[in-house]
Amino acid sequence: GAGVSQSPRYKVAKRGQDVALRCDPISGHVSLFWYQQALGQGPEFLTYFQNEAQLDKSGLPSDRFFAERPEGSVSTLKIQRTQQEDSAVYLCASSLGSSSVSQETQYFGPGTRLLVL
Amino acid sequence: AQSVTQPDIHITVSEGASLELRCNYSYGATPYLFWYVQSPGQGLQLLLKYFSGDTLVQGIKGFEAEFKRSQSSFNLRKPSVHWSDAAEYFCAVGGLNNNDMRFGAGTRLTVKP
Repeated sequence: GAGVSQSPRYKVAKRGQDVALRCDPISGHVSLFWYQQALGQGPEFLTYFQNEAQLDKSGLPSDRFFAERPEGSVSTLKIQRTQQEDSAVYLCASSLGSSSVSQETQYFGPGTRLLVL
Repeated sequence: AQSVTQPDIHITVSEGASLELRCNYSYGATPYLFWYVQSPGQGLQLLLKYFSGDTLVQGIKGFEAEFKRSQSSFNLRKPSVHWSDAAEYFCAVGGLNNNDMRFGAGTRLTVKP
């Protein structure tokens, strides 16, 4: 079956530009996670949704970052007024249930590589 | 706060040789531990996970890992490496009521023919 998909796969933005990154989770998956992976680093948690509810956004680095999942399926991560330090790979993951992360296997998408010039 | 250390940034092994990737964690309670593999252009794939019970965990692709509480370690092993195992490997720690899974910085594995 289809896995987690993300679009675009690559995005080049000029500093100050707004960007929107899309995540299509596996159909029926309740939980959705966003991570930021800087070059040479492991993924870092940004935010977590259970259906349409954003239950944890403690990892969002600034108020320029905003995520939504209005119908409990597709999610969008928006970055306003992009800065060079936002350059990273943004990973989306989904899991089947609503249990804590340790109970469910997270399935990751291929990521969106964002380069801010 | 939980954290994960992967001491080896890059490891090179010959095809057919054994492999051990190190992972040390810091966590205040009983940790939930994971190993993921990331191939170029691919998403992270779960190799194995440890919650409780037997401290030797078997995963996919012939990998195993051993949880050693006394050493705060969760090292990944494979008895015979294949060229297709070349990738980036990430160790991660989480908890029972924790949406924040913490990853290590990763170990890049190169396999020599």
